[in-house]
Amino acid sequence: EIVLTQSPATLSLSPGERGTLSCRASQNINTALAWYQQKPGQAPRLLIDVASNRATGIPARFSGSGSGTDFTLTISSLEPEDFAVYYCQQRSDWPITFGQGTRLEIK
Amino acid sequence: EVQLLESGGGLVQPGGSLRLSCAASGFTFGISVMNWVRQAPGKGLEWVSVIDGGSNYVNYVDSVKGRFTVSRDNSQNTLFLQMSSLRVEDTAVYYCASRGPNWGAFDIWGQGTAVTVSS
Repeated sequence: EIVLTQSPATLSLSPGERGTLSCRASQNINTALAWYQQKPGQAPRLLIDVASNRATGIPARFSGSGSGTDFTLTISSLEPEDFAVYYCQQRSDWPITFGQGTRLEIK
Repeated sequence: EVQLLESGGGLVQPGGSLRLSCAASGFTFGISVMNWVRQAPGKGLEWVSVIDGGSNYVNYVDSVKGRFTVSRDNSQNTLFLQMSSLRVEDTAVYYCASRGPNWGAFDIWGQGTAVTVSS
């Protein structure tokens, strides 16, 4: 099973700051990586697919990069609605796995 | 409007069974690869199962193999998850999710249905 390790576990930032979230895979997954945002009591929402492609309707302040084993989700200037939990997910091999999540909280 | 709506969750005793449903609307369900994903209370996301549009390919996470069965009825635009021999550790919110084109990421999610396994 491919293990995804997200860091940091919690990120405390202020609105307007830049947020950088990391996801490391235990083996090469090329670009078969997606990022999701989840707010309390809600289902996850797809942000980024194939490591760097924004999903439909996702603001341009969200960007993804990386390939192989190291990936990054960047939020260029945090808006109040961006404070949530973020998960990475790989679909390179079965079973599909998720990272343990990064909680982005208001400082 | 594109929508997935789960139902069938509830409280069940260990060893019991439950059948979850997921009703789809607003997109071409019959060609969509559908998944179940669960989230235990206060925990992260765990992929559970997948079924392709024609029910020709199914797969499960190891922890539910032999206990859970995924199926679909394309004439009714509905996905199912039959869960048996339930364990306390199966307690979670269960989401159905549709994958994007070419077995892409999970781009459509339902709101989830809660399953509690407890005596």
